[in-house]
Amino acid sequence: AQSVTQLDSQVPVFEEAPVELRCNYSSSVSVYLFWYVQYPNQGLQLLLKYLSGSTLVKGINGFEAEFNKSQTSFHLRKPSVHISDTAEYFCAVSGPGGFKTIFGAGTRLFVKA
Amino acid sequence: KAGVTQTPRYLIKTRGQQVTLSCSPISGHRSVSWYQQTPGQGLQFLFEYFSETQRNKGNFPGRFSGRQFSNSRSEMNVSTLELGDSALYLCASSLGDSFYEQYFGPGTRLTVT
Repeated sequence: AQSVTQLDSQVPVFEEAPVELRCNYSSSVSVYLFWYVQYPNQGLQLLLKYLSGSTLVKGINGFEAEFNKSQTSFHLRKPSVHISDTAEYFCAVSGPGGFKTIFGAGTRLFVKA
Repeated sequence: KAGVTQTPRYLIKTRGQQVTLSCSPISGHRSVSWYQQTPGQGLQFLFEYFSETQRNKGNFPGRFSGRQFSNSRSEMNVSTLELGDSALYLCASSLGDSFYEQYFGPGTRLTVT
């Protein structure tokens, strides 16, 4: 069975500081990995995805993530955050052949001025 | 291209009633998934429909059901509502291939009193 663990429920950070949101997954088969962002009162928006190939994936809004197969991790990073990045971030895993998408519990990023 | 739309956006029902939520996917998308989002349980997968057939199902009681029409629009129904069904219900559409990159609607906020 697949599962996703987001290691931090809340991450407070000052504006223009770097941030890393941690995600670990478990799966017995090949997976596809995703990060989504949810702003208040909105649905989820895809930030980036890892399907195959380069382990460093770049997404929208200056975010990037690195797939580490040996550590089964897919941490999300941004070198300099803005107030507007305040939102909830979800790591997700899915696989081929009909696997459903499993979401982590979410990490609430709070950017302070 | 228009995004995923969900109607209604807000709904208040009383215990014991039933409710139907609607989701219109992005044009050309054949897969529609439904999720329940609550503060305590996070994002939980309800079910996924592809070409009018339920392809995947989460661990929800039979009171939760859905269907998909030939134009890919989907509805989900909850019968005999309970207080615990109060949640944000999110619909997501995708092309339906093995990548399962999903595009989310804004959600329907259901309050059961």
